[in-house]
Amino acid sequence: QLVLTQSPSASASLGASVKVTCTLSSGHSSYAIAWHQQQPEKGPRYLMKLNSDGSHSKGDGIPDRFSGSSSGAERYLTISSLQSEDEADYYCQTWGTGIVVFGGGTKLTVL
Amino acid sequence: QVQLQESGPGLVKPSQTLSLTCTVSGGSISSGGYYWSWIRQHPGKGLEWIGYIYYSGSTYYNPSLKSRVTISVDTSKNQFSLNLSSVTAADTAVYYCARGVEMATIFWFDPWGQGTLVTVSS
Repeated sequence: QLVLTQSPSASASLGASVKVTCTLSSGHSSYAIAWHQQQPEKGPRYLMKLNSDGSHSKGDGIPDRFSGSSSGAERYLTISSLQSEDEADYYCQTWGTGIVVFGGGTKLTVL
Repeated sequence: QVQLQESGPGLVKPSQTLSLTCTVSGGSISSGGYYWSWIRQHPGKGLEWIGYIYYSGSTYYNPSLKSRVTISVDTSKNQFSLNLSSVTAADTAVYYCARGVEMATIFWFDPWGQGTLVTVSS
C-alpha cells in the first residue's frame, strides 16, 4: 500500500535552515512526490515536484530558499534563511495507479 | 494565469447531498492533460483526496468515498462539480478544488482554490 509518512512537527530559528522529511512506504522508493505549503488560515500552495534522484522543479514564484532532495525512500524539503512567513504546514503528495496520497503533514514552527 | 474558485452551500443537512462547483478562470477546462480535482480537509486535520475527472471524462475516486462521490464537468460554463451523497457530520470539512497535472509519472496539484467550508448539521 502506498503511504507517505511525515513527522507531525518541526521547528527552527528565524534565519536558520530546516529539513522536512517525507518517507515513502516499502516498495515505493522510486516514486516522485510533490510538496505543498499551507499557511495558517489559507489554502494550500504548490511548492515543487521532486524526483527520486533529487532533481526538482519549483512552482511559479517559489523563493530560492526552498529546495528538495532525495535519498532512498526519503524525500526532503529544505528551507534556508527561515522567515516568519515560512511557519506553516507542509504536505507531501504522490500518486500511484490513479490514486492520490497525501502525507499527514508537518507543522513547522519558526522560533 | 489559471485560477479556481469553489462555490456552494455552506450548510448541508445530514443524509442530503453536498454539491459544490469549481469555476475555472484564465484557461479552458477543455484544454488537454489536466485532472480537475477535489480535496478536503477536516477541521484541524490533514488533506484528503476525494477524486478527479480527467479532461477526457475519466474519473478516479478515493476508494473510501467512491460509493458516494460523483465528479462531473460542464465545459460550457468552464466549471466542474462535486456531489457527495448521504452526508454525515463526518463530512464537515473545508473543500478545495485544484488542477492536477501529470508529467512523466509525477503528479501534482497547481493551482488550488481558496477552499470553502461545508458544515453538515440539522
